[in-house]
Amino acid sequence: DTGVSQNPRHKITKRGQNVTFRCDPISEHNRLYWYRQTLGQGPEFLTYFQNEAQLEKSRLLSDRFSAERPKGSFSTLEIQRTEQGDSAMYLCASSLLPGLAPNEQFFGPGTRLTVL
Amino acid sequence: AQSVTQLDSQVPVFEEAPVELRCNYSSSVSVYLFWYVQYPNQGLQLLLKYLSGSTLVESINGFEAEFNKSQTSFHLRKPSVHISDTAEYFCAVSPSYNTDKLIFGTGTRLQVFP
Repeated sequence: DTGVSQNPRHKITKRGQNVTFRCDPISEHNRLYWYRQTLGQGPEFLTYFQNEAQLEKSRLLSDRFSAERPKGSFSTLEIQRTEQGDSAMYLCASSLLPGLAPNEQFFGPGTRLTVL
Repeated sequence: AQSVTQLDSQVPVFEEAPVELRCNYSSSVSVYLFWYVQYPNQGLQLLLKYLSGSTLVESINGFEAEFNKSQTSFHLRKPSVHISDTAEYFCAVSPSYNTDKLIFGTGTRLQVFP
């Protein structure tokens, strides 16, 4: 168990460019979550997957954002036509399926995006 | 809609003193409650959680939190802090209906001084 990994750890891009982040969850975890964290704020939920199915998307997730988990393993988060307001830390987490209650979400180190 | 309020953005305290980090939530449905900790340059880690049963929950490193339904609170306490407890602490809720997304507060930075 190597934990949740995210790549890249840092990304600097110019406004208007597209960026893609990758998340590799803990191998046996069915659920994968994306959150966004800006300075001075707590993480905000963006979307989550159960295996390859995207089960919920936040209203924060504009049309410029798209997430995939094609084979139920790793996931990618793409932001098209980036804006300065997209600058944030993007966090990925994974967990086992819930039983009677939710299971612990294990977080990755995050990808810090800076849009110039 | 659910929300979480952490009124204290920063809590400075001397080593070996007691500390309380406050967390209040609003929800029209039952919730599950969590405290996550983020040490400098590290990812979020689960500290403790309340799912059901006893309203007092404890972590392995001496923290405890009490679920108070009438006051919609889940305050985090430690009777004697160490310098190594310096970190950002986030309270979070998960509504108990068919989703386990987390809704976080804005965080409280605990700074422990020698």
